[in-house]
Amino acid sequence: EIVLTQSPGTLSLSLGERATLSCRASQSVSSSYLAWYQQRPGQAPRLLIYGASSRATGVPDRFSGSGSGTDFTLTISRLEPEDFSVYYCQQYGGSTPVTFGGGTKVEIK
Amino acid sequence: QVQIKQWGAGLLKPSETLSLTCGVYRGSVSDHFWSWIRQSPGQGLEWIGEISHSGYTDVNPSLKSRVTLKLSSSIRQVSLTLSSVTAADTAVYYCARTQFYRHMDIWGEGTTVTVSS
Repeated sequence: EIVLTQSPGTLSLSLGERATLSCRASQSVSSSYLAWYQQRPGQAPRLLIYGASSRATGVPDRFSGSGSGTDFTLTISRLEPEDFSVYYCQQYGGSTPVTFGGGTKVEIK
Repeated sequence: QVQIKQWGAGLLKPSETLSLTCGVYRGSVSDHFWSWIRQSPGQGLEWIGEISHSGYTDVNPSLKSRVTLKLSSSIRQVSLTLSSVTAADTAVYYCARTQFYRHMDIWGEGTTVTVSS
């Protein structure tokens, strides 16, 4: 299976700062099959980005995704209070099962 | 807007069978895949498996021997059965609508399942 490694584990930032989250795959992933989710405490995950760079419906444009191959990035341009959450990347490899990264927690500094 | 509601037993004893259902409202089950994902306390997300209306299923190899997925288009429900549960199966279980490229765009609220003697 394809292992996704997210870094850092925790990101401590202030309101208005830029957040850069990394997702590295153990083997190449098609960009079409790479997604990012946000999960707030006690809630189900929410789709943010699919196809590595397409924003899901209703997602603010301060969220953006980029990358290809084995390295993908989620960027939050200016942190708002509701953005302090845990973020997961997810991939599908076709012949290999769906996997999620271990998550990055974005906390208030 | 499509909504997913989940239900099922929340407390099981070891060796029992977990049975969960998700109902799809204001939408069809026929045009998408449907996934089950779980999250152990304080942990990350684990994909359990997926099913489509054509009968296609795919299950995480680590759970394959214990998982059964079913889908009924007529009553718009998707179900998960996990046999021989242990404490390691204690988790919040989610059902999610899944698009062709396997991103999960609509999630149920989750069902907490605890396995304890």
